[in-house]
Amino acid sequence: DTAVSQTPKYLVTQMGNDKSIKCEQNLGHDTMYWYKQDSKKFLKIMFSYNNKELIINETVPNRFSPKSPDKAHLNLHINSLELGDSAVYFCASSQGPGSETQYFGPGTRLLVL
Amino acid sequence: AQSVTQLGSHVSVSEGALVLLRCNYSSSVPPYLFWYVQYPNQGLQLLLKYTSAATLVKGINGFEAEFKKSETSFHLTKPSAHMSDAAEYFCAVSSYNQGGKLIFGQGTELSVKP
Repeated sequence: DTAVSQTPKYLVTQMGNDKSIKCEQNLGHDTMYWYKQDSKKFLKIMFSYNNKELIINETVPNRFSPKSPDKAHLNLHINSLELGDSAVYFCASSQGPGSETQYFGPGTRLLVL
Repeated sequence: AQSVTQLGSHVSVSEGALVLLRCNYSSSVPPYLFWYVQYPNQGLQLLLKYTSAATLVKGINGFEAEFKKSETSFHLTKPSAHMSDAAEYFCAVSSYNQGGKLIFGQGTELSVKP
């Protein structure tokens, strides 16, 4: 069983469209994260939720909106997609928001044309 | 503010040779330090972490790292490289007051020559 799963794995779309990426974890963790990896492989945190509450909200355009319907799911909705949004988006989860190990999903490769 | 610098975006070693990947950090509070590995087209996997216990940390796949506060370093080593070690390696820093936020270095791509 996959611990942290993301759908879709690949996403190709046109500028201006709205898209969502879904993440699910079956580890029983309380904390979930979204990271963005750019074309130079640089990783940066975007958001984090602990027990369905937003605890980290980095400087991210408000076109990006996370939503956590329950502790096992953290989705990412992106409005009005731009070329610069092309990246790999990783979901991760951990038992808590401190020094706990973060377990990463396989990533969603987003290409905006 | 916290930051991480990985020296060398690309390191190449021969199979059986020592692997040394360098990581220096900056943190105004006691840090938590992590090394993650990313294989092509995959997510990240934790190799090892330091969270204020023993300064020499052993991880998976024969890797280890030593926390040196005086040098603000957390270099990753492996005595003998295998072909399967070829991947991207990321050093990351966090702390008790960061809510789990990981600050990553730029990554080091490790190539292993036969």
